[in-house]
Amino acid sequence: KQEVTQIPAALSVPEGENLVLNCSFTDSAIYNLQWFRQDPGKGLTSLLLIQSSQREQTSGRLNASLDKSSGRSTLYIAASQPGDSATYLCAVGGTDSWGKLQFGAGTQVVVTP
Amino acid sequence: DTGVSQDPRHKITKRGQNVTFRCDPISEHNRLYWYRQTLGQGPEFLTYFQNEAQLEKSRLLSDRFSAERPKGSFSTLEIQRTEQGDSAMYLCVLWRGDTGELFFGEGSRLTVL
Repeated sequence: KQEVTQIPAALSVPEGENLVLNCSFTDSAIYNLQWFRQDPGKGLTSLLLIQSSQREQTSGRLNASLDKSSGRSTLYIAASQPGDSATYLCAVGGTDSWGKLQFGAGTQVVVTP
Repeated sequence: DTGVSQDPRHKITKRGQNVTFRCDPISEHNRLYWYRQTLGQGPEFLTYFQNEAQLEKSRLLSDRFSAERPKGSFSTLEIQRTEQGDSAMYLCVLWRGDTGELFFGEGSRLTVL
């Protein structure tokens, strides 16, 4: 059974610092990996989607890498801003379960001005 | 705007009562999913529909839960004889088939007293 772990559970950084969020998974036979952002009391917003054949994806200040062999993904957020404060979740899609994702518990990020 | 409308956004009920949540996709999507998220955890898969057919149900979906998608568009999730353990955010999710990307609604938060 796929297990997804995100460490640390919480992170606080001063504005302007780069953020590094980690995600690990136990089964490397994945279809894709997706990073989400969740604001308190809200639904999830998709940030980046990495297909299993890709090594990384970039969108603006966000960059996500994927290393299937080691079961790891990293989300980098450059030059953090207070508006980046949120919970970030990674989710893994299996090869036989399109849309049925296994989520980590998330990393709660606080960016202080 | 994620293209997914959920109603009600928050429901408070007493233990033993029945509740129903509705999900309305703004545009047509073949696949529609229901996830549940408890505090401090990532979402967990409950069930999904391909058009009007319910193709998979998680073990989390006890016989008190029933989901429908009668015309392949909107969907409802009913919980009968609610228990305090049912308190959670219920999320409706649409699947974009060409990329595997998921789009989450804002969720319906259930509080069972």
